[in-house]
Amino acid sequence: SQQGEEDPQALSIQEGENATMNCSYKTSINNLQWYRQNSGRGLVHLILIRSNEREKHSGRLRVTLDTSKKSSSLLITASRAADTASYFCATDAGGNKLVFGAGTILRVKS
Amino acid sequence: ETGVTQTPRHLVMGMTNKKSLKCEQHLGHNAMYWYKQSAKKPLELMFVYSLEERVENNSVPSRFSPECPNSSHLFLHLHTLQPEDSALYLCASSQSVWLGAQYFGPGTRLLVL
Repeated sequence: SQQGEEDPQALSIQEGENATMNCSYKTSINNLQWYRQNSGRGLVHLILIRSNEREKHSGRLRVTLDTSKKSSSLLITASRAADTASYFCATDAGGNKLVFGAGTILRVKS
Repeated sequence: ETGVTQTPRHLVMGMTNKKSLKCEQHLGHNAMYWYKQSAKKPLELMFVYSLEERVENNSVPSRFSPECPNSSHLFLHLHTLQPEDSALYLCASSQSVWLGAQYFGPGTRLLVL
């Protein structure tokens, strides 16, 4: 089974609304990363949060990490049509190998 | 040119063909990776190189053969592929192996007929 699993699988919102995606994982981690992928393109690194951090911000992005629940959330505030993409969490599972989840497909309607 | 580049962007090949995918990173990174992304499946790690030495071979069939001639270039040689090998092949690099963010190329969309 995969280390990181995103929830929901798909999310559709109106422009200007906030979007929240969640990621759960199974084993202890050193850090967790979030990536974005536009349709059929490469992944773009968004943010990295270490296991001793609880919250991190980057522009309109806010990431939280709860190691006791083995979960993370990615919040995109004031969404734009350009935020339409797939979002993946990735964790370093055991031997530091980066393992990606199946992703959340976000659609922002204008 | 900056970042990570991949060529070709699209490739159609028959099962008996031999082709190669090329990746080049302009970031001065020491680690490079090949991933396979199939529809509705998580990203699958294929190979990892650190300073031109292969450090991970994730049970990939021998019809995929990687080559890393230097820390800036990575190739994936393909031969006698199967239709189920059709996927998006992504190359990535990072400062050091498994350290920090990975920077991805745009991918090669491969179709095996």
